[in-house]
Amino acid sequence: NAGVTQTPKFQVLKTGQSMTLQCAQDMNHNSMYWYRQDPGMGLRLIYYSASEGTTDKGEVPNGYNVSRLNKREFSLRLESAAPSQTSVYFCATGENFADTQYFGPGTRLTVL
Amino acid sequence: EDQVTQSPEALRLQEGESSSLNCSYTVSGLRGLFWYRQDPGKGPEFLFTLYSAGEEKEKERLKATLTKKESFLHITAPKPEDSATYLCAVRDATGANSKLTFGKGITLSVRP
Repeated sequence: NAGVTQTPKFQVLKTGQSMTLQCAQDMNHNSMYWYRQDPGMGLRLIYYSASEGTTDKGEVPNGYNVSRLNKREFSLRLESAAPSQTSVYFCATGENFADTQYFGPGTRLTVL
Repeated sequence: EDQVTQSPEALRLQEGESSSLNCSYTVSGLRGLFWYRQDPGKGPEFLFTLYSAGEEKEKERLKATLTKKESFLHITAPKPEDSATYLCAVRDATGANSKLTFGKGITLSVRP
């Protein structure tokens, strides 16, 4: 039972490149989330999927897109990476939207 | 706008020296207050959820309490392995899709 997994663990991109961060969960949870964590700031919500088939913007959605592929998988795409997107990205899941969230191990992204 | 302030930013304790971490919050109505532990390079690990003033929860050396304006995470006789960053988050009761607002965290170091 792996819980929440994220790939890759580390990534270095050049400005303008694109990439997709993958998140998968085996907890049978309905809700999934993408956060970013920057030094000196709290975790900030980028996008979320309250249930399969739905996605909504969070606090900082600009420059990102998401896909809820199925109940288990939720991906985050950067179409044209910018240095301001250098951050640590966390995926989280919850049984339902208002419930406790459980986090993955994170992806550390550097954009040069 | 929901706000979460954690203090102090950093705390250094001697092994066995008990102390408390503070989380002050402002929400229209509290739907839940969450405590997480985060080790360097890892994702946040869920500790507690508190829902109403007066509620308390315990786990090993940790005890979380809640009032109408703040929550405390009490650490009794800490050990070096308790060293981590402790995150507090709140969910507002207003709206069907209210999201978590995180504080910036408190970095705890416990010296042997």
